[in-house]
Amino acid sequence: TQLLEQSPQFLSIQEGENLTVYCNSSSVFSSLQWYRQEPGEGPVLLVTVVTGGEVKKLKRLTFQFGDARKDSSLHITAAQPGDTGLYLCAGGNTGKLIFGQGTTLQVKP
Amino acid sequence: GAVVSQHPSWVICKSGTSVKIECRSLDFQATTMFWYRQFPKQSLMLMATSNEGSKATYEQGVEKDKFLINHASLTLSTLTVTSAHPEDSSFYICSAKSIAGRSEQYFGPGTRLTVT
Repeated sequence: TQLLEQSPQFLSIQEGENLTVYCNSSSVFSSLQWYRQEPGEGPVLLVTVVTGGEVKKLKRLTFQFGDARKDSSLHITAAQPGDTGLYLCAGGNTGKLIFGQGTTLQVKP
Repeated sequence: GAVVSQHPSWVICKSGTSVKIECRSLDFQATTMFWYRQFPKQSLMLMATSNEGSKATYEQGVEKDKFLINHASLTLSTLTVTSAHPEDSSFYICSAKSIAGRSEQYFGPGTRLTVT
């Protein structure tokens, strides 16, 4: 069974701080996606990484896919209250997505 | 592009009744749609994979007779919760995968079901 371990599960920080969320697995994934979800809404796709070692940037968010395609990280620089939400990593192989447990991020002004 | 809608966005029903939730891909065709369930502050749990023109594939532990899925066209899948009970109350989210073959799934806004 493929599993994605996401950490930390909860994070409360002050505006302006940096943070990193990790997503780890013992399995290799052909692609890995990061989503952000706000309460009462569906997840919104942030990025897809497919190549080992790939780094993608989306404004203050930096996503990295591990060389072996088993892990990924999301780094947020100078977090803002608008970054508050549930961040989900999801790995894909056979068409289905395997989701991590999610990281609830709260950024206080 | 890649917009997925769900209807209704929320529904309250009485115990024992059935509820149908629709999932539509608005600007792309989807051979495969997925149905998830989500509890508060938790991640998404895949319930079933819905393939256009064929029977849905259910995940282990999901009752196929209780959660009926129909994928009638390349843009519409429906989930019917039959004989609903209070423990079925949850946030149900669908996603759609484009026929173009990319790996991304695009999610609907979710449906909040409350069974009284």
